[in-house]
Amino acid sequence: SAVISQKPSRDICQRGTSLTIQCQVDSQVTMMFWYRQQPGQSLTLIATANQGSEATYESGFVIDKFPISRPNLTFSTLTVSNMSPEDSSIYLCSVGLGGHQPQHFGDGTRLSIL
Amino acid sequence: AQSVSQHNHHVILSEAASLELGCNYSYGGTVNLFWYVQYPGQHLQLLLKYFSGDPLVKGIKGFEAEFIKSKFSFNLRKPSVQWSDTAEYFCAVNGGGGYQKVTFGTGTKLQVIP
Repeated sequence: SAVISQKPSRDICQRGTSLTIQCQVDSQVTMMFWYRQQPGQSLTLIATANQGSEATYESGFVIDKFPISRPNLTFSTLTVSNMSPEDSSIYLCSVGLGGHQPQHFGDGTRLSIL
Repeated sequence: AQSVSQHNHHVILSEAASLELGCNYSYGGTVNLFWYVQYPGQHLQLLLKYFSGDPLVKGIKGFEAEFIKSKFSFNLRKPSVQWSDTAEYFCAVNGGGGYQKVTFGTGTKLQVIP
């Protein structure tokens, strides 16, 4: 398994600002994923982040709005840019350990935009 | 593309009642199936997983799920629920192992009344 730490755990932000969420894993992992969970909804994958390459974004998500960094095998960041109230969600990172291991999730970042 | 349907959005049970939450998936190849649970204010946790072998999978806290390939189903069951089982339950699927993205169902909110 893996222990995943996300920071911040929650934040309240002003419209038009940007916030960077950090995800730290206690072991080296190849694949990291970023999900969004909007209020009352399920989890939706934003992008897949591999170390050393550009993130792969799902339909409906773009790099300009959700830039992702993956500088090494234990760390990734997701930035939510130019925020609007519609971006109020829980953002979660997860890691894939390969083989038949399930993904493991961080505690999430609860983001509210005023 | 893979998809997951959870039929029950909100279930209310009394303690000691039996539970069955429906989950159907759509995917053209070999799948890995998961049930995750999210207790109020907590992060997503894995309840159980199916990769291959015995289609009846036992997980933590007395939960089990049965994979019925012909029905594309992976229903979650518990013979006797407790108040502490109050949570949101997500069925999820991925094809190809832990390196692949996970698609989540819309979730089922379970409320157990003492």
